[in-house]
Amino acid sequence: QSALTQPASVSGSPGQSITISCTGTSSDVGAYDSVSWHQQHPGKAPKLMIFDVNYRPSGVSTRFSGSKSGNTASLTISGLQAEDEADYYCSSYSRDSTLWVFGGGTKVTVL
Amino acid sequence: QVQLVESGGGVVQPGRSLRLSCAASGFTFRYFGMHWVRQAPGKGLQWVAVISFDGRKTHYADSVKGRFTISRDNSESTVFLGVNSLRLEDTAVYYCAKGDVAGPLDDWGQGTLVTVSS
Repeated sequence: QSALTQPASVSGSPGQSITISCTGTSSDVGAYDSVSWHQQHPGKAPKLMIFDVNYRPSGVSTRFSGSKSGNTASLTISGLQAEDEADYYCSSYSRDSTLWVFGGGTKVTVL
Repeated sequence: QVQLVESGGGVVQPGRSLRLSCAASGFTFRYFGMHWVRQAPGKGLQWVAVISFDGRKTHYADSVKGRFTISRDNSESTVFLGVNSLRLEDTAVYYCAKGDVAGPLDDWGQGTLVTVSS
């Protein structure tokens, strides 16, 4: 069982917006603004899409945005495109001895 | 651009050991922390370990503490993961990622597959 809870799957039509939730605890998501989101296409390495809750690395589309409220973080993908179909993982720095925790991943399907 | 290339994976029997390597280029290696993250077949990502930029601080996931050792050679721009007493459940693709202890993990290698099998 993963430390952070994500929905197993989310789907949307091209052009729509979708939101993926990531629920942790007061020891991780709720304790730090160190939530990241990674995109992973099949057979590929993860790619950082959002860090520190709502910052985008250079080169990442502005269609990707992040937010946090209490122990739950969210990733929103606006203007959904076929290339966005992938697995998405949230992660957070933690007060616990296991310093970094990941969510179980969410499969995004573009209908 | 940042490049991280893992090596050292393979098929190994339970109880045996391996040393994984990650060669870095495209950035000043000695200024950044480095992580290892693994992914079992068909499963999600699991953080394994991190080492600070100077090698003085290391942290491990509870599930590997005492069996895995992270280290680095800044003169060779390489980070290592020593994996001992391997178990079937250690079978995974092992990724190295650039990032300070408090993150984020901002660049990842392509991974090296470790298969533990008798």
